[in-house]
Amino acid sequence: DSGVTQTPKHLITATGQRVTLRCSPRSGDLSVYWYQQSLDQGLQFLIQYYNGEERAKGNILERFSAQQFPDLHSELNLSSLELGDSALYFCASSVGAGEIQYFGAGTRLSVL
Amino acid sequence: AQTVTQSQPEMSVQEAETVTLSCTYDTSESDYYLFWYKQPPSRQMILVIRQEAYKQQNATENRFSVNFQKAAKSFSLKISDSQLGDAAMYFCAYRDSDSNYQLIWGAGTKLIIKP
Repeated sequence: DSGVTQTPKHLITATGQRVTLRCSPRSGDLSVYWYQQSLDQGLQFLIQYYNGEERAKGNILERFSAQQFPDLHSELNLSSLELGDSALYFCASSVGAGEIQYFGAGTRLSVL
Repeated sequence: AQTVTQSQPEMSVQEAETVTLSCTYDTSESDYYLFWYKQPPSRQMILVIRQEAYKQQNATENRFSVNFQKAAKSFSLKISDSQLGDAAMYFCAYRDSDSNYQLIWGAGTKLIIKP
């Protein structure tokens, strides 16, 4: 168990809908990262937060947004969902911005 | 831009034998980190080993060791005494040492352990 908690484990929804994925980092970790793992694109970095502030952005679509709350948990919001958004979404956390990243078990999103 | 290449989509090894997974990368940076992560069927991404580019000594963690060749931009993972529990997808990842902390991933190698 990495100590990073992601909910829900599975999410099934329809095209055009909006969903929210939640991540609770390890105790004491200030930095949260979101990654997408899909069959065609592999693993891709989406976005990073450090102590509530956005730190870096990767290949994140405009339909996607994220935030990190004062209690350090983070949410990834995916809207106007398309079939191609079906993927495994990972959250990782680290103590500082450049430390080892520990991963949650992921949220499997299926868009039908 | 940095890239990571894993040229072996699948590898198989007999239980108790040794296997080496390959990874090459491209970067213009001189200081960076390299990682091997394991993803078993449970989907959990588990850190196996980390190497800092400025350290010449190859990292080891029990049965796992790396062969880091900085000039050749090569970072292979050796698994000794393979066990059934080692069966998983193995991903090589790169990270800059400052400011940009995102992990850049290879496509992964599926490791099959034959009993």
